[in-house]
Parts: sequence; structure tokens; C-alpha cells
Amino acid sequence: SQKIEQNSEALNIQEGKTATLTCNYTNYSPAYLQWYRQDPGRGPVFLLLIRENEKEKRKERLKVTFDTTLKQSLFHITASQPADSATYLCALVYNAGNMLTFGGGTRLMVKP
Amino acid sequence: GAVVSQHPSWVICKSGTSVKIECRSLDFQATTMFWYRQFPKQSLMLMATSNEGSKATYEQGVEKDKFLINHASLTLSTLTVTSAHPEDSSFYICSAPGQGFRGLAKNIQYFGAGTRLSVL
Repeated sequence: SQKIEQNSEALNIQEGKTATLTCNYTNYSPAYLQWYRQDPGRGPVFLLLIRENEKEKRKERLKVTFDTTLKQSLFHITASQPADSATYLCALVYNAGNMLTFGGGTRLMVKP
Repeated sequence: GAVVSQHPSWVICKSGTSVKIECRSLDFQATTMFWYRQFPKQSLMLMATSNEGSKATYEQGVEKDKFLINHASLTLSTLTVTSAHPEDSSFYICSAPGQGFRGLAKNIQYFGAGTRLSVL
């Protein structure tokens, strides 16, 4: 069965640095991969989507890469701020049914 | 603002009672909605796909008689946890996919704020 792995350990970084989060998957590549942010006690909020034929996507301070050979996506937050502290989830979509399969999430803590 | 409304945000109930959670798409129609469960410090696990006008599709291991899903209109899906027990205590979240218009991007999910269920 498909496995999606994110680093379960919290990532602690200093304000202003770049945070890099990893999402690895097994088996077949998804049609597209998405990154969501989740704050405690809240539902996830969509951040970025990248398709299997795309290498990189950017949105303001966010950047996502997608390597179907390595079966890996990297999520970068540049010039990180304490307000970026949250859990970040990667999710894969395999068909037009929109069903998401989530990774376990990585908690990011940005210290001032 | 929110595009998916979920209610209630928090509910406490006694063991053996039933609890209904509502998920509404605001200003757009959702023929499909998804229900997830999330335990503390764990990821979202898909429970079922709610289909307007037809039966829900449940994921393996999810009891359909315990988690009743009704999608009676294009903007409302409900999840009823029947005969709730303490092990059903969890964070339940619904989502609806954007349709590519009304400012909602296609192929992404819009999530409700979640419902925290505590069964005593």
C-alpha cells in the first residue's frame, strides 16, 4: 500500500532562516501533490499544489519541489517567522476523485 | 472567509448517545464531501466519502453503521456518531473540493474548522 512519510520530529529553526520540510512516498507517483498548513484545533488550510510534470512551484515565501524519480517533495519557507509555526501536511492525489491521502505532518517551530 | 462551515466545534456527550456533526459548503455546491478523523499528534485519516443523493463510500475499517453519513443536499453533509464510546473521542474534520469557479480553485480541498468530540 502507498506510504507517505514526513519527519515526525518537530523542526525547530531560528527566525529568518529557511525551513525545509520533506515528504517521501512509496510506489506510484500521484497526479499531484499538495501542501497544507494546520494550526492546533483547526482544519488544514491549502498552501500549494504541484503537478507530477512540474519541478517547482513558488508562492511568496513558499517553494515546493517535486521529484518523481526520488519520490520526494520538499517544502521551503524562506525568511521564516514565528507566525509560520504550525504543522505542515503533504497530501497526494491519485485520480480525479479529489481524494487526498495525507502524510503524518511535520511540526515547525520558528523561534524569535 | 470560511468556505466550509462545520458545526459544532466542540461537543461533549455521554457514552451510548449519538452525536450529529454538520458540514456545509458556503456559496458553492459540493456533490462530494470528505470526512476525516484525527487523533492527537497524528495525521488526518479519511473515514468516508460523502456523495450527494447516494450512499457514502467508507474506507476500510470504518463501521458504516456506527458512522452514519447523510448528504441530502448539495451543500450539506452530516456525520452521526451512533452509540458513541470513549474510544470515539477524536477530532472530526470535513472537506469539500473546489470546483474551479466562484474563486475556489479546482483540485484542492477546503476544510471545515473541525469538531472535537469528547465522549465521557
